[in-house]
Amino acid sequence: GQQVMQIPQYQHVQEGEDFTTYCNSSTTLSNIQWYKQRPGGHPVFLIQLVKSGEVKKQKRLTFQFGEAKKNSSLHITATQTTDVGTYFCAGPRDAGNMLTFGGGTRLMVKP
Amino acid sequence: DTEVTQTPKHLVMGMTNKKSLKCEQHMGHRAMYWYKQKAKKPPELMFVYSYEKLSINESVPSRFSPECPNSSLLNLHLHALQPEDSALYLCASSQLGLVSYEQYFGPGTRLTVT
Repeated sequence: GQQVMQIPQYQHVQEGEDFTTYCNSSTTLSNIQWYKQRPGGHPVFLIQLVKSGEVKKQKRLTFQFGEAKKNSSLHITATQTTDVGTYFCAGPRDAGNMLTFGGGTRLMVKP
Repeated sequence: DTEVTQTPKHLVMGMTNKKSLKCEQHMGHRAMYWYKQKAKKPPELMFVYSYEKLSINESVPSRFSPECPNSSLLNLHLHALQPEDSALYLCASSQLGLVSYEQYFGPGTRLTVT
């Protein structure tokens, strides 16, 4: 079945440093979604990428969808303590609404 | 209103108890989901309801019984659970269509089975 893998599992950064998490799918994806889960919280939708090679920005966050639509990345410029949490990518499974979540990357930011 | 609400926030139950988790959304979403999340793991899909009908059961043990009384409500009935069922139970909802839409998650119920 479809597998979605994320690396790294954990990342400690100093506040102000950049951070990147990578997501790879075993199959071509029609789209990819990114979610953030704060410690003790629930997943919150960040963005969806649909087109091959698509790049979208949200303030300090840059999301990219690979040309082959099998990989994606999330880059955070100049991390802040508010960026702490686990970032999950998720790809659609089969047809419709089910998602396969990647394992997540847990970001810790030292002030 | 883009909120999904869940009650209770926390639940402690014994292995012989029967309890229910509740979820509500008023976004007009016709797809609703139950997920189970263990610590430091991604959400794991349990059930999907589409137009109030159960469309997906991810081989979940029968001690978990979902119910969708109407398009806004989703329940998860629990009976004879095991300690390994202790986890965060998340409800989510989304629009329904041929493409995947973003899912809105509730805050979850943190369940402890003793």
